[in-house]
Amino acid sequence: AQSVTQLGSHVSVSEGALVLLRCNYSSSVPPYLFWYVQYPNQGLQLLLKYTTGATLVKGINGFEAEFKKSETSFHLTKPSAHMSDAAEYFCAVSASGTASKLTFGTGTRLQVTL
Amino acid sequence: NAGVMQNPRHLVRRRGQEARLRCSPMKGHSHVYWYRQLPEEGLKFMVYLQKENIIDESGMPKERFSAEFPKEGPSILRIQQVVRGDSAAYFCASSPRGADSYNEQFFGPGTRLTVL
Repeated sequence: AQSVTQLGSHVSVSEGALVLLRCNYSSSVPPYLFWYVQYPNQGLQLLLKYTTGATLVKGINGFEAEFKKSETSFHLTKPSAHMSDAAEYFCAVSASGTASKLTFGTGTRLQVTL
Repeated sequence: NAGVMQNPRHLVRRRGQEARLRCSPMKGHSHVYWYRQLPEEGLKFMVYLQKENIIDESGMPKERFSAEFPKEGPSILRIQQVVRGDSAAYFCASSPRGADSYNEQFFGPGTRLTVL
């Protein structure tokens, strides 16, 4: 079984500041990990994913995440926030090796201020 | 390559009516997933289907909800006798065949169901 915890339902940063969105997971098998972004009234767009190999994963729009097995974490970062980054971000986990369901965290709403 | 398509985008039903939500996966994708997003919450898995088979329905409510993915045509999520608590956004996702797909799921824009 898998589960995801996203710390902080709301995060506010200034434009140009570092973005850090936290995600911790629990999985009984090696996980696949994902970050999705959702803009208002839209579907989910994949930002990045970790499957195997390099633990630092780079995604779209300047985001990256690092898989830390010892900490069971997969935090999302971006060095410099842009106004267009304001959205809801979801961390998700699935079981590796099979086509299986995604288990999502409750989401973090990112606000970017001037 | 067209993305995952869902229709209708918005659906309004009165209590007791039926709701039918349609999902056309991306070309070449044979796995379909349905998720429900209640207001201010994350997505919750409902059901996972392959062509003509339900693989995992562990997230489906026991009553009133059903899903199918026929050999031809879109996947259908059907909700009978809707209640106000069914008001939510319903998202469909599809993924390619095979374990080497890394389970990457591509999401549609969702159907927002409102029950009056």
